[in-house]
Amino acid sequence: EADIYQTPRYLVIGTGKKITLECSQTMGHDKMYWYQQDPGMELHLIHYSYGVNSTEKGDLSSESTVSRIRTEHFPLTLESARPSHTSQYLCASSGRSEAFFGQGTRLTVV
Amino acid sequence: GQSLEQPSEVTAVEGAIVQINCTYQTSGFYGLSWYQQHDGGAPTFLSYNALDGLEETGRFSSFLSRSDSYGYLLLQELQMKDSASYFCAGLYTGFQKLVFGTGTRLLVSP
Repeated sequence: EADIYQTPRYLVIGTGKKITLECSQTMGHDKMYWYQQDPGMELHLIHYSYGVNSTEKGDLSSESTVSRIRTEHFPLTLESARPSHTSQYLCASSGRSEAFFGQGTRLTVV
Repeated sequence: GQSLEQPSEVTAVEGAIVQINCTYQTSGFYGLSWYQQHDGGAPTFLSYNALDGLEETGRFSSFLSRSDSYGYLLLQELQMKDSASYFCAGLYTGFQKLVFGTGTRLLVSP
């Protein structure tokens, strides 16, 4: 059973608000990832981390930021939410080859 | 950046065999994984190929050819529950970056 948790599961927020999506894992994995996925579409890599204080931007242009102060925690922050940010956000962690996913945060910006 | 291409949709009947192809960009490539995602769910890991050849896990097999920049997922004895989206995912840049393919929707009919 994978131990990776995302909160909140659902979020409706107004334009211009700052939000932080939480992701935590208890497997001690060095690698963690954030993906954006619209229904029925592909997963776009937003950010990834390969250890504490080591983060990189993915291929999807994003106005979000991440931090990795502790191995188990990888939060994603949107400084100013816009309707175009409406989507599902998936967090994952990986030891070497197998990635485990959280249940996702479905974000709606109104 | 890295990109992986898949057919958008494949249809098959119960009991049949289906192959889902994936072509990928080679720069920084380390290995190829496959994930299954049911509607409303999170992706779950199926298999990983680090070396050329076939990896078999029950009804599912995965194949990699580095010389052709190509891999496939083979699903045998199809069941209705196999109806889902299937994603290949390339591991790049020192096992750090996990990039997903465009995804293939598999529809299994009776």
